Amino acid sequence: DAKTTQPPSMDCAEGRAANLPCNHSTISGNEYVYWYRQIHSQGPQYIIHGLKNNETNEMASLIITEDRKSSTLILPHATLRDTAVYYCIVRVFGSYNTDKLIFGTGTRLQVFP
Amino acid sequence: GAVVSQHPSRVICKSGTSVKIECRSLDFQATTMFWYRQFPKQSLMLMATSNEGSKATYEQGVEKDKFLINHASLTLSTLTVTSAHPEDSSFYICSARGGGDNGYTFGSGTRLTVV
Repeated sequence: DAKTTQPPSMDCAEGRAANLPCNHSTISGNEYVYWYRQIHSQGPQYIIHGLKNNETNEMASLIITEDRKSSTLILPHATLRDTAVYYCIVRVFGSYNTDKLIFGTGTRLQVFP
Repeated sequence: GAVVSQHPSRVICKSGTSVKIECRSLDFQATTMFWYRQFPKQSLMLMATSNEGSKATYEQGVEKDKFLINHASLTLSTLTVTSAHPEDSSFYICSARGGGDNGYTFGSGTRLTVV
């Protein structure tokens, strides 16, 4: 079962920052938080991931709360091409110590002009 | 960056026939690959984990005899949908672990339509 909850949809004006929240209150100490996005009928695209510390790359920033029960993905200057479904994922460990990504329901971000 | 190629991108088949989908890691070796299924307006559902040289591990509720997975090399995993029915029509996506910092690279997906 997915270990994350996200709002189903959000809107953002072009050029403004998009802040996408995610709750993962049952996350374990060794489980990473991953963010991917999916544009219609394509495979998911990696955005960023982290464990405890805040992370930043050329696409986005990831802010993880100190208790690790929630995180926020920040797209600093949203463009129309950022319109997509954004998935917050906790990497879980299955049987035989294998790890895997279990997707939640995601947030549909609509960037408008 | 890491690239995963999935083929075919679209396939239409008749009910009762079998369809094979290929997933290749182009510039890295992937000992583990994952197969997902996605119905319209829904999220990705993990079907199985494919390990090179061993049997796949299927998620609960996924029929292993219907969805045959073979991971014969470090760069290729295949998913065969056997005796396909219209309810198997879906978007199938593979992912390979490895090939960069992010750890999981996804293919572009295969849209299967069973008529």
